[in-house]
Amino acid sequence: LAKTTQPISMDSYEGQEVNITCSHNNIATNDYITWYQQFPSQGPRFIIQGYKTKVTNEVASLFIPADRKSSTLSLPRVSLSDTAVYYCLVRIPGGYQKVTFGTGTKLQVIP
Amino acid sequence: EPEVTQTPSHQVTQMGQEVILRCVPISNHLYFYWYRQILGQKVEFLVSFYNNEISEKSEIFDDQFSVERPDGSNFTLKIRSTKLEDSAMYFCASSRQTGADEQYFGPGTRLTVT
Repeated sequence: LAKTTQPISMDSYEGQEVNITCSHNNIATNDYITWYQQFPSQGPRFIIQGYKTKVTNEVASLFIPADRKSSTLSLPRVSLSDTAVYYCLVRIPGGYQKVTFGTGTKLQVIP
Repeated sequence: EPEVTQTPSHQVTQMGQEVILRCVPISNHLYFYWYRQILGQKVEFLVSFYNNEISEKSEIFDDQFSVERPDGSNFTLKIRSTKLEDSAMYFCASSRQTGADEQYFGPGTRLTVT
């Protein structure tokens, strides 16, 4: 059974770049990789999505190597408000609409 | 900006009682989902719904659970006979299309079963 793996937690100082990596060995050919952010007692919020190589939006970048077995979310110059849990999400083989959240990485931004 | 809404924000019920959690997805979205998150644990997929029927469900979504879209706007999750272990935050989500499209999550309903 495919699973995604992320570091459980990370600490970073304000203003630094943060990179969070997710492993997804059984990703299917047509799957996309999506990252969500979640604050306490709130629903997950979409950050970024990609299929291969690099994607950038106003809040983050997503790097995906050629084999697509992992992905890295990059948050430039984090602030205290970026303290949250970050989830990597892929659609695993066997279910077209089935989605599985990763274990989540709790990012703590330190002043 | 359109958003998914959920009611109630907090529901307390006794074990064995039925509960209905309500969601209003974003109006032009076609796919609807329920997830749950037990305190301190990861978000778990329950069920997806499209064209008035279940598209996919997880092992968690057993006969105690059901979903319905009773009208053009609401999407409900019913738990027939609640158990203590059903206590969790329940999130509704919707998306324009499945596959590559992002899902928009509601604020959640915290269900407490006593």
